[in-house]
Amino acid sequence: EVQLVESGGGLVQPGGSLRLTCAASGFIFSDYGMSWVRQAPGKGLEWVAGIRGGGEENKYYAGSVMGRFAISRDDSRNTLYLQMNSLRVDDTALYYCAKTGSSSITWTDYWGQGTLVTVSS
Amino acid sequence: IVMTQSPDSLAVSLGERATISCKSSQSVLYSSNNKNYLAWHQQKPGQPPKLLIYWASTREAGVPDRFSGSGSGTDFTLTISSLQAEDVAVYYCQQYYSTPHSFGQGTELQI
Repeated sequence: EVQLVESGGGLVQPGGSLRLTCAASGFIFSDYGMSWVRQAPGKGLEWVAGIRGGGEENKYYAGSVMGRFAISRDDSRNTLYLQMNSLRVDDTALYYCAKTGSSSITWTDYWGQGTLVTVSS
Repeated sequence: IVMTQSPDSLAVSLGERATISCKSSQSVLYSSNNKNYLAWHQQKPGQPPKLLIYWASTREAGVPDRFSGSGSGTDFTLTISSLQAEDVAVYYCQQYYSTPHSFGQGTELQI
């Protein structure tokens, strides 16, 4: 059974940093692309960042987070990360870890439960 | 790529057909493999989204066959052939043709 468990969310002041972690199990983690998707309270889904699998590790970002967020993965630990710097109030959201359907960044076939990030003074 | 869904909300009687439209600002059909890079997700209140359809019309394993996807290029449709009470949710289309993999704004489906 595929499981994605996010952690690392919390309350942070504007300009601060957080690192989100996603622990993956139930599939061969290194073989699949992974993404982060966020959802602001009461709003829709926003794709944030993606990283290829299969040993390639190409990284992709939404314009709203480019230069502030960094996605990475540790295939030896079956773990996905999102380093978030220079956080802004509009980064407040539930952040989902998402597995894609192939080594490329394709459709999302599994979602975690999410970790809440609140940016406020 | 901007994804636009219509309507924003929809009320359908139990057992009736529900149809949701999704339009992309540019084609998501990749000519080299003739595949449309379009997925549909369902999100019930308080839950993460769940994949229903990918490649525009391929149903994910375990998804009831009352859910179907169609369309090509820039115009897509999600159809629920006979609405059940458990189908109350917000439905999102998502393109994965190019990054960022944008979502539609969502369509809220009610009974």
